[in-house]
Amino acid sequence: DTGVSQNPRHKITKRGQNVTFRCDPISEHNRLYWYRQTLGQGPEFLTYFQNEAQLEKSRLLSDRFSAERPKGSFSTLEIQRTEQGDSAMYLCASSLGQGAYEQYFGPGTRLTVT
Amino acid sequence: AQKVTQAQTEISVVEKEDVTLDCVYETRDTTYYLFWYKQPPSGELVFLIRRNSFDEQNEISGRYSWNFQKSTSSFNFTITASQVVDSAVYFCALSEILTGGGNKLTFGTGTQLKVEL
Repeated sequence: DTGVSQNPRHKITKRGQNVTFRCDPISEHNRLYWYRQTLGQGPEFLTYFQNEAQLEKSRLLSDRFSAERPKGSFSTLEIQRTEQGDSAMYLCASSLGQGAYEQYFGPGTRLTVT
Repeated sequence: AQKVTQAQTEISVVEKEDVTLDCVYETRDTTYYLFWYKQPPSGELVFLIRRNSFDEQNEISGRYSWNFQKSTSSFNFTITASQVVDSAVYFCALSEILTGGGNKLTFGTGTQLKVEL
């Protein structure tokens, strides 16, 4: 396994711009998760995919956020009209199997909105 | 609602000391899972352990051990003979099963462990 990869690792953008992050899960992992982590806090759940279906979204995920996982492989998270409050680390994780299996996390994408 | 409390924000120890990281959780579920993750300075969360609510046996893995006590809703983590490489933020997490069988992790705020020479 090569692990979960995320790109880019860092993104600096101006307020109002759109940004897109990519996550490549561990191959054969059917579940993919997005979390957001701000300084001094634990990760917070944003959304979850089983294969290509987005099955759960947190209330934290405003309508400016959209996530996709076409063909059940990689996933993208897009933030439209970024705000300074969107500055955070965006983490992707994947897992295999049904139930409370451990999730394996990627290195994250650090977003800074100026 | 699920909740995880890690009351210790930061702990500093000298190498070779033992250290215990506390975790207290709240849930209405009768079946649940608890996790510990390590986040080193590089930032990537590393899975350490998963325990289910039916198994209260303590677990030991090398220098790591975990004490799960359902009666006090605690899942504490002890590092024996700490090393500088143990310096990291440690998160305790509680799972909630989602539609389709996935699981949402609710994390605590983490404990920053600093191990000094």
